[in-house]
Amino acid sequence: QFHLVQSGAEVKKPGASVKVSCKASGYTFTDHYIHWVRQAPGQGLEWMGWINPNGGFDYAQKFQGRVSMTRDTSITTAYMELSRLTSDDTALYFCARGAERLLLVGNWFDAWGQGTLVTVTS
Amino acid sequence: DIQMTQSPSSLSASMGDRVTLTCRASLNIRTSLNWYQQKPGKPPKLLIFAASSLQSGVPSRFSGSGSGTDFSLTIGGLQPDDFGTYYCQQTYSTPTFGQGTRLEIK
Repeated sequence: QFHLVQSGAEVKKPGASVKVSCKASGYTFTDHYIHWVRQAPGQGLEWMGWINPNGGFDYAQKFQGRVSMTRDTSITTAYMELSRLTSDDTALYFCARGAERLLLVGNWFDAWGQGTLVTVTS
Repeated sequence: DIQMTQSPSSLSASMGDRVTLTCRASLNIRTSLNWYQQKPGKPPKLLIFAASSLQSGVPSRFSGSGSGTDFSLTIGGLQPDDFGTYYCQQTYSTPTFGQGTRLEIK
């Protein structure tokens, strides 16, 4: 069975950056996109972007210029870094696996990390 | 971005009831529509993909239908574990989620 395990909770000051990791196991890391989704307290799900472990990425327009998604294939880990944090970035951040091999349109997310709580407070 | 609108926003139903949740897309998304269940503090769980395909391990009381702009998720015979918030998601273009339907078991 495949798993995504994320790094632990973070507390950051406004203006700082945060980097969240997502360790994949149980499948061929380079066969599936990793997506990042966040959820503010009491709110719905918001897609942030994807990274292709073979190279390439795309970000939601809202986060362009402020988010960076990277990966280290040697340790099957994806990363999401968000900069210039404000209190509005306080949220639970999830990584998720695109189910179908290297597919974007029409795909679905069949595995999720446990979530990483990022709290932005002065 | 394609907007996804779910209704109702909340629903209270009894064990054994059959309930239907709906999701409408602002553009034709063919069958690029997925449904997730989420419980507080947990990641979403995939229920239905490609509008009507049941994810492995999901009980058969869950079913999905629709294409184009109008979709539905039906739960036949509510069980206590079915409480939570249900989200639809389109992946026809840049992924977007509906705002969710909170299901409460009476």
